[in-house]
Amino acid sequence: DIQMTQSPSSLSASVGDRVTITCRASQGLKNYLAWYQQKPGKVPELLIYDASTLQSGVPSRFSGSGSGIDFTLTISSLQPEDVAIYYCQKYDSAPLTFGGGTKVEIE
Amino acid sequence: QVQLQQSGPGLVKPSQTLSLTCAISGDSVSSNSAAWNWIRQSPSRGLEWLGRTYYRSEWHNDYAVSVKSRITINADTSKNQFSLQLNSVTPEDTAVYYCARSRGYFSVWGQGTLVTVSS
Repeated sequence: DIQMTQSPSSLSASVGDRVTITCRASQGLKNYLAWYQQKPGKVPELLIYDASTLQSGVPSRFSGSGSGIDFTLTISSLQPEDVAIYYCQKYDSAPLTFGGGTKVEIE
Repeated sequence: QVQLQQSGPGLVKPSQTLSLTCAISGDSVSSNSAAWNWIRQSPSRGLEWLGRTYYRSEWHNDYAVSVKSRITINADTSKNQFSLQLNSVTPEDTAVYYCARSRGYFSVWGQGTLVTVSS
């Protein structure tokens, strides 16, 4: 099965900073990669699918890129409401595996 | 607007069967373009996809290897819902369980159910 590795596992940044999270697959996925945001005590929410397509209603400061093995989630200007854990997920085929998550905090 | 409403007990005894149901509104469990999933989350395992059921002229199921010998996901077309049964549970099955609709990615989630396995 394909493994999904996220890095870093946690980060702390200032409001307004550009934040980058990476997700690496152990085999190629084409662009079958999604990103989710989970705020404390809440249900995960879809941010990006097909590696770079923004889900309706998601702020434009979020963007995704990549294909094949390496993918990136970028927050162009970190806001206090972006404090959360971010997960990637592959969906090229079953099993539909998640990455281990990246915890984003404000300095 | 698609919504998923989960129901089921929050406490299950070791060796017994965990059973949860997810009622669908705004879509059909027999949809030819969606799949219906169960996912769980615990501090030790993170987000773990457990399995799915979907209809493409006939019913199909996929299950995670980690639970394949113990899991059943069924669709109930008369009630427009789907269910999870996980047999022979242990304390390691303690987690928040979510149902979710997918078209590959998980676009709609249930509210989550904390299931504790304890005597």
